[in-house]
Amino acid sequence: GQQVMQIPQYQHVQEGEDFTTYCNSSTTLSNIQWYKQRPGGHPVFLIQLVKSGEVKKQKRLTFQFGEAKKNSSLHITATQTTDVGTYFCAQSSNDYKLSFGAGTTVTVRA
Amino acid sequence: GAVVSQHPSRVICKSGTSVKIECRSLDFQATTMFWYRQFPKQSLMLMATSNEGSKATYEQGVEKDKFLINHASLTLSTLTVTSAHPEDSSFYICSAREGVAVGYTFGSGTRLTVV
Repeated sequence: GQQVMQIPQYQHVQEGEDFTTYCNSSTTLSNIQWYKQRPGGHPVFLIQLVKSGEVKKQKRLTFQFGEAKKNSSLHITATQTTDVGTYFCAQSSNDYKLSFGAGTTVTVRA
Repeated sequence: GAVVSQHPSRVICKSGTSVKIECRSLDFQATTMFWYRQFPKQSLMLMATSNEGSKATYEQGVEKDKFLINHASLTLSTLTVTSAHPEDSSFYICSAREGVAVGYTFGSGTRLTVV
């Protein structure tokens, strides 16, 4: 499947601060999905973006799809301890397979 | 919402033995399920696509004779790790998508340790 590159690999955040994780592809993506995996848990679907320039919000989480559909970002404001985990972007192909990015593991300092 | 149940959650087995992992869609039918492997602090790597009533399709580099997949019904897929070795120790996760749902639902995963 298509390769999606994700940075940073680790994000150490002070509670209350904001952070962003980025997902990039060398080719145009048909869609991008975001998942969250808590430590010791399994991935949980957060959202899918399909349209160029699309922006979607879920409370303190803002997801964006680039105009060229080659990149996406997840921005979290006012980080809380409940935000701890690994955030993955993933691309769903025509045969319904998911290709995951490397993930951004977030830790929060209280 | 859609629920995927995976068992067992943890298993320890001896080298050379086989281990079966079950993945069930509890409240929906899944003609297709996916099996992933995740090593510590790494991403999920797709191993194979499980197709109800037909052979599974395996990703490049995954040994089909070692990782046997059976999808005998619309709600159950099994992954059997045959002749397990310590390097097979990993976190195995299945997933499925309900009908026209957008996202995929994952099982809770199986942590396999081969000693």
